[in-house]
Amino acid sequence: NAGVTQTPKFQVLKTGQSMTLQCAQDMNHEYMSWYRQDPGMGLRLIHYSVGAGITDQGEVPNGYNVSRSTTEDFPLRLLSAAPSQTSVYFCASNQAGTGSTDTQYFGPGTRLTVL
Amino acid sequence: GQQLNQSPQSMFIQEGEDVSMNCTSSSIFNTWLWYKQDPGEGPVLLIALYKAGELTSNGRLTAQFGITRKDSFLNISASIPSDVGIYFCAGQQKGGSEKLVFGKGTKLTVNP
Repeated sequence: NAGVTQTPKFQVLKTGQSMTLQCAQDMNHEYMSWYRQDPGMGLRLIHYSVGAGITDQGEVPNGYNVSRSTTEDFPLRLLSAAPSQTSVYFCASNQAGTGSTDTQYFGPGTRLTVL
Repeated sequence: GQQLNQSPQSMFIQEGEDVSMNCTSSSIFNTWLWYKQDPGEGPVLLIALYKAGELTSNGRLTAQFGITRKDSFLNISASIPSDVGIYFCAGQQKGGSEKLVFGKGTKLTVNP
C-alpha cells in the first residue's frame, strides 16, 4: 500500500489564482480530512468526509472547497488564493470503527505559498 | 470550539534525560492520540489510548489516558537525538469517524 499520497509537494501561487491540492489513499478508508498547519497553531481541520458523497466543514473552512466522488480521492480546492492561505496542508484518512483500529494516517504534506 | 492545552510548548534536554509532556481539555474525550512530526513530514501516530486510566507503552514511550477523560500525558525515557521533533496530542470524542482536535504541539530538542 502507498498509504496517503499528496500532490504537489510544493506550490507557489499568486493572490487570486486557483488550484487543487490532490489527496489519495489506497487503504479503503471511509474517513478523510484536510488540515492546515501554521507555526504555533498545531493542526486545524479544514474539511472532512465520512464517505463518498458526504463532506462537512471543520474548524477553518472559509476559502476552501472539497468533494468526495470516490472513496480513494479527496481533493481540496482554493478558488481564489490569499496570502493568509500560506501554510502546510495535510490530508489524512482512517477507517471508521471502534477499538484499536481507529488510527489516522497522514500524508506527507503540501507546502503552499501565496504571494 | 474545543481546545486542547498542550504543555510545554518547547523543551531543550540533554541526551539520556527523561521527558514529560501533557494535554488538558475542558471537554471529555473518548480517545487520546499522541503523534510525532519530523521536519518536512506528516505526523506519525505513536500511541493511541481508548480507556480512561489506560497506561500504554511503545518502546521508551509511555502514555496515559487520564481518569477524568480530560487529560493525557506522554513520557519519553532515556531520550536520544532521534527523538527530536514536534509531539502533538489529539483528542477524539467518538470512535472512528469523529473529528480530531489537536494540541499546538511540544517541540523537543535533544542535545547530544
